[in-house]
Amino acid sequence: QQQVKQSPQSLIVQKGGISIINCAYENTAFDYFPWYQQFPGKGPALLIAIRPDVSEKKEGRFTISFNKSAKQFSLHIMDSQPGDSATYFCAAKTSGAGSYQLTFGKGTKLSVIP
Amino acid sequence: DTGVSQNPRHKITKRGQNVTFRCDPISEHNRLYWYRQTLGQGPEFLTYFQNEAQLEKSRLLSDRFSAERPKGSFSTLEIQRTEQGDSAMYLCASSSAGSSYNEQFFGPGTRLTVL
Repeated sequence: QQQVKQSPQSLIVQKGGISIINCAYENTAFDYFPWYQQFPGKGPALLIAIRPDVSEKKEGRFTISFNKSAKQFSLHIMDSQPGDSATYFCAAKTSGAGSYQLTFGKGTKLSVIP
Repeated sequence: DTGVSQNPRHKITKRGQNVTFRCDPISEHNRLYWYRQTLGQGPEFLTYFQNEAQLEKSRLLSDRFSAERPKGSFSTLEIQRTEQGDSAMYLCASSSAGSSYNEQFFGPGTRLTVL
């Protein structure tokens, strides 16, 4: 059972364009939603995260939009650059006692072409 | 470098052999996690430590797998009698109990290939 569904599986964007990656979840107990960026051969790096008490969070060129009623959240990368080419993972976690694991989506491979 | 470190970075072994991986978390982090990532998939949770106590284990962690964190600092993950299906990237992450969001920071991983 996949608790976090991520789309698209791959994405090609031109330099300067906007990259949009979407995630949907089922478990309403999730209350922390981070995005990770992973380059080949490296571990995932925390990019940006949001809690459901806000609908949007922006850090530089990266924005998370969150829709609690739809149980969906998305990552927007503005002014996409070739250096942004990587695999992006959404994740979710509950903060209840005894549960510390992150549940990840399957990832989106982003290619930004010059 | 004060990030999470993992050793070795790569391990090639023959089926049936035992392997052990080491993780050194960020020094002030008391929480440590192991995940497994196969090709084209997101990381999957294996186990979690708070200090030296192993508090959570996934059903993915079969009895051939054992993890320890003896002094609440570094951790080891051992796989006994390796199988080809164990081939994956093994990721370690750490976090601070004092962090309101419990952000998890990952190491570079150990890539295991079982022949």
